[in-house]
Amino acid sequence: AQSVTQPDIHITVSEGASLELRCNYSYGATPYLFWYVQSPGQGLQLLLKYFSGDTLVQGIKGFEAEFKRSQSSFNLRKPSVHWSDAAEYFCAVGSYSSASKIIFGSGTRLSIRP
Amino acid sequence: DAGVTQSPTHLIKTRGQQVTLRCSPKSGHDTVSWYQQALGQGPQFIFQYYEEEERQRGNFPDRFSGHQFPNYSSELNVNALLLGDSALYLCASSLAAGYGYTFGSGTRLTVV
Repeated sequence: AQSVTQPDIHITVSEGASLELRCNYSYGATPYLFWYVQSPGQGLQLLLKYFSGDTLVQGIKGFEAEFKRSQSSFNLRKPSVHWSDAAEYFCAVGSYSSASKIIFGSGTRLSIRP
Repeated sequence: DAGVTQSPTHLIKTRGQQVTLRCSPKSGHDTVSWYQQALGQGPQFIFQYYEEEERQRGNFPDRFSGHQFPNYSSELNVNALLLGDSALYLCASSLAAGYGYTFGSGTRLTVV
């Protein structure tokens, strides 16, 4: 079955510290992978996506993610977080064959300690 | 350049009623997808419309239906509302050829 697991429900990091959010997926076809961010009361904003090629993907707001096929993972990283990064982060997976349906994880809430 | 516009932003309905949510896609996009996001959960795919037809559907009952108009805007209809239908309903638009979803801010539906 196709699924996305984000094992951390809530993470708190200090401002200026590094961040890594974990994502594992189960998907039969070659996956397309995404990270979205959602601020309270807002829709989803795409941070980055991986379709093929270089397994280290750069996104907006200084985020990056690394695709590791052997571990079925697509972890999101940022070297130094800012207070404005506090939000809910969702990992998602799809495929070219599905063409439209994207499966989301349950999300990780990020809090920033001043 | 306007992004995805959803209306209304908030809505309160009574159990058993019917509701219609509306979505205008981003300029240049021709495909509209609808997602349901329950509190504390990730979005769940409801269906997608392209060329005024439902192209793919998630695991939602027939009480959930939709429509796409010639100008690519879309409506989501939910009949016989249940308390469990309370959620944030997100509309996302894209080009048919591939990904690049742009999400709206959603409609918060509360069923009482």
